[in-house]
Amino acid sequence: EAGVAQSPRYKIIEKRQSVAFWCNPISGHATLYWYQQILGQGPKLLIQFQNNGVVDDSQLPKDRFSAERLKGVDSTLKIQPAKLEDSAVYLCASRRRGGPGDTQYFGPGTRLTVL
Amino acid sequence: AQTVTQSQPEMSVQEAETVTLSCTYDTSESDYYLFWYKQPPSRQMILVIRQEAYKQQNATENRFSVNFQKAAKSFSLKISDSQLGDAAMYFCAYRRLNNAGNMLTFGGGTRLMVKP
Repeated sequence: EAGVAQSPRYKIIEKRQSVAFWCNPISGHATLYWYQQILGQGPKLLIQFQNNGVVDDSQLPKDRFSAERLKGVDSTLKIQPAKLEDSAVYLCASRRRGGPGDTQYFGPGTRLTVL
Repeated sequence: AQTVTQSQPEMSVQEAETVTLSCTYDTSESDYYLFWYKQPPSRQMILVIRQEAYKQQNATENRFSVNFQKAAKSFSLKISDSQLGDAAMYFCAYRRLNNAGNMLTFGGGTRLMVKP
């Protein structure tokens, strides 16, 4: 079974520029998460999708961040315009909708550096 | 709101020895899940072990085991016979049982170094 795929692995941009990250979850996984992991900290949830609907985006800075999951499969996370404090690793995770004990599987992440 | 605290930023262990990583959490819920995730330099978060709060028996997975103290809200990870490949960041995480979103709350992490 293929894992969660993310691209790019690394991205360096200037502040005020735009950037987009892509995630392809494990086949058949209905739930998809985007986490932000600032250096030296644990991941923090940004947004969660169930199929193509948003379940929780309470911690997403909506003035600059947006995310979509068209057709309930792949997802993109966009930052526009980027700030220095957005430098972090962006992790995508997916979960098969089933029992409450279902595990979240994580992708390798995208490391964003904002200069 | 739930919080997860890992008070050890760094830990070191000699290869083949045993090490324990600490985690405490704060919640008003009675039913929940606790997890330990490993994050090597590749950044991929890998599930190490999981504990259901309603189970009194401590979870074990090969060389990994937990000491779950529900009353004390403590959830430590013991790694026996440490190997060089165990070197990584370890994150403790919490999830409510009746959380349809399955959202994880993570601690700040502990960096484990394994000395040959």
